[in-house]
Amino acid sequence: DVKVTQSSRYLVKRTGEKVFLECVQDMDHENMFWYRQDPGLGLRLIYFSYDVKMKEKGDIPEGYSVSREKKERFSLILESASTNQTSMYLCASSLRRTGGLVETQYFGPGTRLLVL
Amino acid sequence: AQTVTQSQPEMSVQEAETVTLSCTYDTSESDYYLFWYKQPPSRQMILVIRQEAYKQQNATENRFSVNFQKAAKSFSLKISDSQLGDAAMYFCAYSGANSKLTFGKGITLSVRP
Repeated sequence: DVKVTQSSRYLVKRTGEKVFLECVQDMDHENMFWYRQDPGLGLRLIYFSYDVKMKEKGDIPEGYSVSREKKERFSLILESASTNQTSMYLCASSLRRTGGLVETQYFGPGTRLLVL
Repeated sequence: AQTVTQSQPEMSVQEAETVTLSCTYDTSESDYYLFWYKQPPSRQMILVIRQEAYKQQNATENRFSVNFQKAAKSFSLKISDSQLGDAAMYFCAYSGANSKLTFGKGITLSVRP
């Protein structure tokens, strides 16, 4: 079974703090993704990566950055946390099919972040 | 850009009955995947079913099946013999050549005992 783990289930931070969310997958997947999930808005893509050291902006990258130094690990960084970044953050990974289509994504359990 | 629309925010079904969740999408691509994901309360998002656009046959996984209408750009999920464990939020998602997965806003399904 594919396993995607996230470093924390719950996190409370202060405005202005730098926040690191880590995601690790154990299935040698090329693609990794970071989403945020908010009620009524579904899942919105923040960033994704299709290879080590490669990253692409998603739909809402502002206020976030990412790092992928190893294939199995994808980190999301909030440079200076703000209250509007309070949300559920989901990491996912998938194989990459030739032609760019994304295969089935496997999700981590999520990190519920509260910024005070 | 591709869009995925789930127009119903909530549905309810009696245990053992059948329910259909609707999803429409917009795309100009001919090769793509469609997915239904399930997110139980406070639990991990998991894949329910997947459909490849070039396959005419509707995907089926046990009590879950889809009605894929490519020309109409419709992808509904049918849950037969509903069980209490089916209560969850369900997301429809589209995967195309832009290497992204586009999700609908989700529908909350409740199951009445």
